[in-house]
Amino acid sequence: GDSVTQMEGPVTLSEEAFLTINCTYTATGYPSLFWYVQYPGEGLQLLLKATKADDKGSNKGFEATYRKETTSFHLEKGSVQVSDSAVYFCALIPTRNSGNTPLVFGKGTRLSVIA
Amino acid sequence: AAGVIQSPRHLIKEKRETATLKCYPIPRHDTVYWYQQGPGQDPQFLISFYEKMQSDKGSIPDRFSAQQFSDYHSELNMSSLELGDSALYFCASSLARESNTEAFFGQGTRLTVV
Repeated sequence: GDSVTQMEGPVTLSEEAFLTINCTYTATGYPSLFWYVQYPGEGLQLLLKATKADDKGSNKGFEATYRKETTSFHLEKGSVQVSDSAVYFCALIPTRNSGNTPLVFGKGTRLSVIA
Repeated sequence: AAGVIQSPRHLIKEKRETATLKCYPIPRHDTVYWYQQGPGQDPQFLISFYEKMQSDKGSIPDRFSAQQFSDYHSELNMSSLELGDSALYFCASSLARESNTEAFFGQGTRLTVV
């Protein structure tokens, strides 16, 4: 079935360091891809998304490009801040005719940024 | 903008008791999803409803049931609670007409079974 694999954490970085969180997926067809972020004690918030190959999603300095050839959607940020400390989930919506397909999540990657 | 509202935010129950979690989706959203997130785990899909009918079923135990009402709010009913049911329960909503649109999540209900 459809699945998402993320790099395991925790990831600890110093402020202003470059961030990469790897995400690869297994799915038939052309799934939509998402990154969600979960801050401590809070719910899941959409960070960015891409719905077709070569699309780049971006938000708050984070970017991810939908790579069909490598089935990847790696999250990157050029300069992290302490406030970026959170758990990041890569997710996909499998290709289906209906528009109400549940998200499939990766295991999550905990990021800690230290000053 | 209105978000997904879940209640209660925190709930403590004893083993074998029952619990009811409520979810109020974003206005005009027609699909509701329930997820369970154990400590340090990724969210696991339980069940979803589209236009008040069950749409998809995931890893929801037989002790749990859910429904969506005429005003589109949804309730997750959990019976014969076990210690392992302690988790964060998220509700999410989306608009099915927009294919592959993202789901918007509530803040979650933290259930502790003692």
